[in-house]
Amino acid sequence: GIQVEQSPPDLILQEGANSTLRCNFSDSVNNLQWFHQNPWGQLINLFYIPSGTKQNGRLSATTVATERYSLLYISSSQTTDSGVYFCAVQDSNTGKLIFGQGTTLQVKP
Amino acid sequence: NAGVMQNPRHLVRRRGQEARLRCSPMKGHSHVYWYRQLPEEGLKFMVYLQKENIIDESGMPKERFSAEFPKEGPSILRIQQVVRGDSAAYFCASSPPLAGAWNYIDEQFFGPGTRLTVL
Repeated sequence: GIQVEQSPPDLILQEGANSTLRCNFSDSVNNLQWFHQNPWGQLINLFYIPSGTKQNGRLSATTVATERYSLLYISSSQTTDSGVYFCAVQDSNTGKLIFGQGTTLQVKP
Repeated sequence: NAGVMQNPRHLVRRRGQEARLRCSPMKGHSHVYWYRQLPEEGLKFMVYLQKENIIDESGMPKERFSAEFPKEGPSILRIQQVVRGDSAAYFCASSPPLAGAWNYIDEQFFGPGTRLTVL
């Protein structure tokens, strides 16, 4: 099956810093989504991005499907950005999402 | 438009009891997915349902677990004779009806999850 790897596994930032999270996947996919799991455990949809680049405020994402990776950029980080960021790809045959192990981000004031 | 709703948010069961988790998809969504998140791990797919049909249950444990999405009412994930290893967060997601090609699947939106604790 499709393998999804995220890096780095853990990241500590000072408030105001920028960061880049990476997601590699092992096979072609129809879709890719980025999520933020906040400290209360809720999963927040960040991006639905099978290819190209999208921006939403301080966050942006780029997926290069032909090279099987996606990047999530966080600029001017805030303490509320803390949590776990998951990348998930959709299995082309069934539609199920296959999640990476996540990047745990801690933003310090 | 209300989001995906799950209840209960927290559920405590003793070993051997049954757990029933409910999920109401977003309005207009006809596809429901269940995922499980064990402590300190990512989410793992369990089952994909449409109204009255199980489309893919490849992630479901072979015994004690079942899921349904009836014509009326929420989707139900049922765990019989729970064991401590079933303690996890169970998330439901929904997506709209398929559009275009048969293998085009739209964005999935997640509910807040049900945290199951087995004593």
